[in-house]
Amino acid sequence: AQSVAQPEDQVNVAEGNPLTVKCTYSVSGNPYLFWYVQYPNRGLQFLLKYITGDNLVKGSYGFEAEFNKSQTSFHLKKPSALVSDSALYFCAVRPISSNTGKLIFGQGTTLQVKP
Amino acid sequence: GAGVSQSPRYKVAKRGQDVALRCDPISGHVSLFWYQQALGQGPEFLTYFQNEAQLDKSGLPSDRFFAERPEGSVSTLKIQRTQQEDSAVYLCASSQGAHTQYFGPGTRLTVL
Repeated sequence: AQSVAQPEDQVNVAEGNPLTVKCTYSVSGNPYLFWYVQYPNRGLQFLLKYITGDNLVKGSYGFEAEFNKSQTSFHLKKPSALVSDSALYFCAVRPISSNTGKLIFGQGTTLQVKP
Repeated sequence: GAGVSQSPRYKVAKRGQDVALRCDPISGHVSLFWYQQALGQGPEFLTYFQNEAQLDKSGLPSDRFFAERPEGSVSTLKIQRTQQEDSAVYLCASSQGAHTQYFGPGTRLTVL
């Protein structure tokens, strides 16, 4: 079965420190990969995506993610965390086999950045 | 520009009632998706439209769920005879082409 795993329910980091939110996937072929962020009582906000090309992709608000094909991972990173980055983060994949573009989401990781 | 909008933002229904949830996609977006997000979970795919054609409804959990997009823009997700397990946030997303989906704020449905 195709799936996405976010192994950490919560990540805690001090403001100014680097952060990593982990994501691994299990789908056939080379999927498209996405990160979204969700603030309370709001929808999902697009952060970045990997389609093809350079394994390191840069997105909004200083976030970046690294695609690792051998490890089937797409970890989200930021060099210096801000308190305002505290939110719920979702990794999602679109299997290439999907003609409809539907996304498969992970369970989400709560990022808590403390001052 | 305007993003995806959804209405109502909150809906409380008594068990057995029918509800209708509306989605206004970004203007010009061909693709429209509905997802269901249960509390503490990631969104799960329900159905997909390309223009007015419903090309994938494999995620609809039962025949009580019905979606339409008659003119290829606004979409309505209807749930008949609501059950408590239907309580969730219903998210709508639209995209131009095959890549990035842009999400609305969601409708939080509570079935009592």
